[in-house]
Amino acid sequence: AQKVTQAQTEISVVEKEDVTLDCVYETRDTTYYLFWYKQPPSGELVFLIRRNSFDEQNEISGRYSWNFQKSTSSFNFTITASQVVDSAVYFCALISYGSSNTGKLIFGQGTTLQVKP
Amino acid sequence: DSGVTQTPKHLITATGQRVTLRCSPRSGDLSVYWYQQSLDQGLQFLIQYYNGEERAKGNILERFSAQQFPDLHSELNLSSLELGDSALYFCASSVAGGTANTGELFFGEGSRLTVL
Repeated sequence: AQKVTQAQTEISVVEKEDVTLDCVYETRDTTYYLFWYKQPPSGELVFLIRRNSFDEQNEISGRYSWNFQKSTSSFNFTITASQVVDSAVYFCALISYGSSNTGKLIFGQGTTLQVKP
Repeated sequence: DSGVTQTPKHLITATGQRVTLRCSPRSGDLSVYWYQQSLDQGLQFLIQYYNGEERAKGNILERFSAQQFPDLHSELNLSSLELGDSALYFCASSVAGGTANTGELFFGEGSRLTVL
C-alpha cells in the first residue's frame, strides 16, 4: 500500500526564518511521482512541484527547495527566508505505479505553516 | 486559475438531503478526480473517471455516487447526508489516467458543503 506521512501538523515561524516541511512516503513500486501542493487560506490547491522516482536531483525554485532522498523515502520541502504569504497548508502527495496502478494521488495529512510578521 | 470549475462554491443543507456537485475539467483533460477534505480525515481520494468510465475508486461511501458525462464534466452526488459529510469537496483533472498519468492534477477551488 502507498502512504504519505507528514509528521509535522503545525509549524510556526517568524518572517525571514527558514523552515523545512518533512514528508516521508511508502511504496513498494519502483516508479512513482512525488508532489507538493499548497493550500492557502482561500482554499484552493496549488501545484508546486513534481519529482519522479528516477530523478533524485534536488530542485530549487526561488525561495523554495526540495530534497528528495530515496534512501530515507523522504521528500522534504524547505522555504528560505519565509514570508507571511507563505502561510498555508502544505500537502505532500504520491502517485505510485505497480501491479495495482490506479493513478490515485495519495496525500499526506498536511502541515499548517504559519509565518508571523 | 487552474481551469477546473466547480459549482456550487458553497452549499448548506440539512441531514437526510441529497446534493449534486458539479465539475468541469480543464479543456482537453480526460480524467476527473474527486477528493474530500475534512478536518479529521485530511484529503481523501473518492473516485476517478477517465473519458466517461470509472477508473479508480477510493474511500467513497455507498451513499455517494459520481459520473462523467460525454462532454467530460462530472457530477458527484451525495445522498442521505449526515453531519459528518460536511467537508470541502475538490474536483481535479488531468490529461491522462492510469499509467499515462504523471500526476499533475489541476484542482478546482472546491465546493464547501455544510450539513446542518
